[in-house]
Amino acid sequence: EVQLVQSGAEVKKPGESLKISCEGSGYRFTDYWIGWVRQKPGEGLEWMGIIDPDDSDTRYSPSFQGQVTISADMSINTAYLQWSTLKASDTAIYYCARRLDVAGHFDYWGQGTLVIVSS
Amino acid sequence: AIQMTQSPSSLSASVGDRVTITCRASLGIRDNLGWYQQKPGKAPKLLIYGTSILQSGVPLRFSGSGSGTDFTLTISNLQPEDFATYYCLQDYDYPRTFGQGTKVEIK
Repeated sequence: EVQLVQSGAEVKKPGESLKISCEGSGYRFTDYWIGWVRQKPGEGLEWMGIIDPDDSDTRYSPSFQGQVTISADMSINTAYLQWSTLKASDTAIYYCARRLDVAGHFDYWGQGTLVIVSS
Repeated sequence: AIQMTQSPSSLSASVGDRVTITCRASLGIRDNLGWYQQKPGKAPKLLIYGTSILQSGVPLRFSGSGSGTDFTLTISNLQPEDFATYYCLQDYDYPRTFGQGTKVEIK
């Protein structure tokens, strides 16, 4: 069974750093790109970026380029999303998702990680 | 970035109704469009990709059509479990972009 399991909720202060994770199982991790999607409270979905765990080829939305870093460690089947300096506006649920092999859409999703940034 | 505009932003419908949601791209994206369903507190679920290809396990009452800039998601015979928010997503170019969502509520 394909599963993406994300790390737990985080409460951080503005200016702090953070790295959240997404562990894939039930499939060959390096065969599928992993993407990240943001959802602010009460708002819609935002496509942040995507990584090929096989060679770490990464594409970012310009809205998130320079604000976050997407990475992956194929030895432990895990993708990451990290911030060096959090802002209150980063408060959101972050989803990881596996990209279909035949199209750019996401067929399996993690459960989401709630990140709260508040002083 | 390609902008995706969904309409309506919300609608009220009854069980058994036929519902249509539209997504318009700011430029042509061929057939590179998908639809997602999201229920409160849950991750999105892929319904359709390639404009009209039903993802495995998705009921046949869901269908998609269109090409170029104008696309449609149709739910025929709306069921209680279909009340949710629906999003389109273009996978024609980077960055991928979602529509703003359409909330389908019970009338």
